[in-house]
Amino acid sequence: SAVISQKPSRDICQRGTSLTIQCQVDSQVTMMFWYRQQPGQSLTLIATANQGSEATYESGFVIDKFPISRPNLTFSTLTVSNMSPEDSSIYLCSGQTSGGREQYFGPGTRLTVT
Amino acid sequence: ELKVEQNPLFLSMQEGKNYTIYCNYSTTSDRLYWYRQDPGKSLESLFVLLSNGAVKQEGRLMASLDTKARLSTLHITAAVHDLSATYFCAVDTGTGNQFYFGTGTSLTVIP
Repeated sequence: SAVISQKPSRDICQRGTSLTIQCQVDSQVTMMFWYRQQPGQSLTLIATANQGSEATYESGFVIDKFPISRPNLTFSTLTVSNMSPEDSSIYLCSGQTSGGREQYFGPGTRLTVT
Repeated sequence: ELKVEQNPLFLSMQEGKNYTIYCNYSTTSDRLYWYRQDPGKSLESLFVLLSNGAVKQEGRLMASLDTKARLSTLHITAAVHDLSATYFCAVDTGTGNQFYFGTGTSLTVIP
């Protein structure tokens, strides 16, 4: 298994600004993912964070809006750029170990944009 | 596009009662996961089902997988208040890395 932490746990941001969310895993994972969960909704995959290369984005999500970095096997960041109130959500990162395909989730970052 | 539907979306049940949550999906898959999410918290892994006919049990919860029917169930036996949470199923098609999450079932157990 893997234990995943995220920073910050929550933030309130103004429209037009950017926020970078950090995700740290306690052990090496092969894959890391970023999800968005809007209030009362299910999880939507934003992108797969690839180590040392550009992230792979899902339909509806673009790099200019959600730049992602993954400099090593245990750390990734997601930036929410030029925020609007529609970006208010919980952002979750997850990790997948080499031993299986199960995903382990961080505690989430609750973002409110005013 | 793969669809994962859960029924019911909202469930209110009395302590001591039994109930089943259903997870239907629209494509071939033999891997399915159940997660629990408490309010304001992240997802906690409950069960990993990796083959047709798989059945897993933990306490008052039992999950099963029927890949031919593209159906998984999460059965609750003699519910207690501590089981109040939102439950998600997630389908892994085995290709690519994406998990497809169900709509979630918000369970409230009333004393």
